[in-house]
Amino acid sequence: AQTVTQSQPEMSVQEAETVTLSCTYDTSENNYYLFWYKQPPSRQMILVIRQEAYKQQNATENRFSVNFQKAAKSFSLKISDSQLGDTAMYFCAFMKTLSAGNNRKLIWGLGTSLAVNP
Amino acid sequence: DVKVTQSSRYLVKRTGEKVFLECVQDMDHENMFWYRQDPGLGLRLIYFSYDVKMKEKGDIPEGYSVSREKKERFSLILESASTNQTSMYLCASSSMGAANEKLFFGSGTQLSVL
Repeated sequence: AQTVTQSQPEMSVQEAETVTLSCTYDTSENNYYLFWYKQPPSRQMILVIRQEAYKQQNATENRFSVNFQKAAKSFSLKISDSQLGDTAMYFCAFMKTLSAGNNRKLIWGLGTSLAVNP
Repeated sequence: DVKVTQSSRYLVKRTGEKVFLECVQDMDHENMFWYRQDPGLGLRLIYFSYDVKMKEKGDIPEGYSVSREKKERFSLILESASTNQTSMYLCASSSMGAANEKLFFGSGTQLSVL
């Protein structure tokens, strides 16, 4: 069974600095998707970044980038130039390659609570 | 923008009551999901549906049922609420097979069962 582990329950960073959130996963699949979702205090969960396992290039979305190490089964999120609005719970998630029914569900990590300090 | 709307942001119910949590999405998504979120336990999938009138159990379906009579609406039902069902409930939707598939979430319903 697939599992997702986020080893840092809480982290903090100073505004404008860079922070990296860790995520490791366990799977025997070769093709899959990895996600980072953000849940701010407003509770609205939103997608931060998405990576397809078959792509070697690391995904980037503005100040957010990932370090995807397929062999090591590691998927860390780097936030550059941290802003106060980045304060949130961050969840790492895994999904098998698109398929039907029960295979569609995401496997979630327990989250990392990030505080950006002024 | 996709909008997923949950009918209540906060809800307080009594033990034994029948509780309905409603979720509506406006982007014609095939897939809809109900999660509960508890501190230290992350998100756990209760039920999901990938078509009208179709439902599949997630990881923790006990004590819950669901209804999907229309594509845009997915209801979570607690037949007889218990205190251990006090939790944050999140609804989500996604489009089947989209190249950029991702989940769109509602703002959550914080349910307290007294």
